[in-house]
Amino acid sequence: DAGITQSPRHKVTETGTPVTLRCHQTENHRYMYWYRQDPGHGLRLIHYSYGVKDTDKGEVSDGYSVSRSKTEDFLLTLESATSSQTSVYFCATDSRKGDQPQHFGDGTRLSIL
Amino acid sequence: KNEVEQSPQNLTAQEGEFITINCSYSVGISALHWLQQHPGGGIVSLFMLSSGKKKHGRLIATINIQEKHSSLHITASHPRDSAVYICAAPQGGSNYKLTFGKGTLLTVNP
Repeated sequence: DAGITQSPRHKVTETGTPVTLRCHQTENHRYMYWYRQDPGHGLRLIHYSYGVKDTDKGEVSDGYSVSRSKTEDFLLTLESATSSQTSVYFCATDSRKGDQPQHFGDGTRLSIL
Repeated sequence: KNEVEQSPQNLTAQEGEFITINCSYSVGISALHWLQQHPGGGIVSLFMLSSGKKKHGRLIATINIQEKHSSLHITASHPRDSAVYICAAPQGGSNYKLTFGKGTLLTVNP
């Protein structure tokens, strides 16, 4: 597998606080993604990265920012968390080689009270 | 944007039955993804296919590019196959930004 570690795995915090989720990969994949998964919506892309310091927005990027200072780490930050950002967050990586699919982390369950 | 629709939303089967889950998409694509998610668990990519058919164990995925349709079949289903199955298609013009279906919840009873 792609060796993807998400941290923390669970977090409970209060509205208005900043939150940072970390995705760490050991496979040197160039492409990394942050998704959120909510009932009735399926997975939705928040932000993605196509290289170090190269990032772009997905379909639900409002209220989120990302950074990628090195290949192995992709950080997702909620500058001021809101209850609507309560969700399960998944990180994924992609080597874009042949027919290799995306590899997913185990997810972070975030609750904002 | 590619619209991805899955059917059925829920499926209950008896152990040993042949299972079919369908996926249709609105925009022509280069490849379609099938993923599996066990309850409370992580997401595993099953297949990425651009034409024809792929098989892995008891799982078979087919795609018809002209009809913009793909199917996931499970032969000799087993309770451990109980999971949510998700298909995903690239958003128009981008191979690496995916649009996901809402998933099919499969329950296989012993």
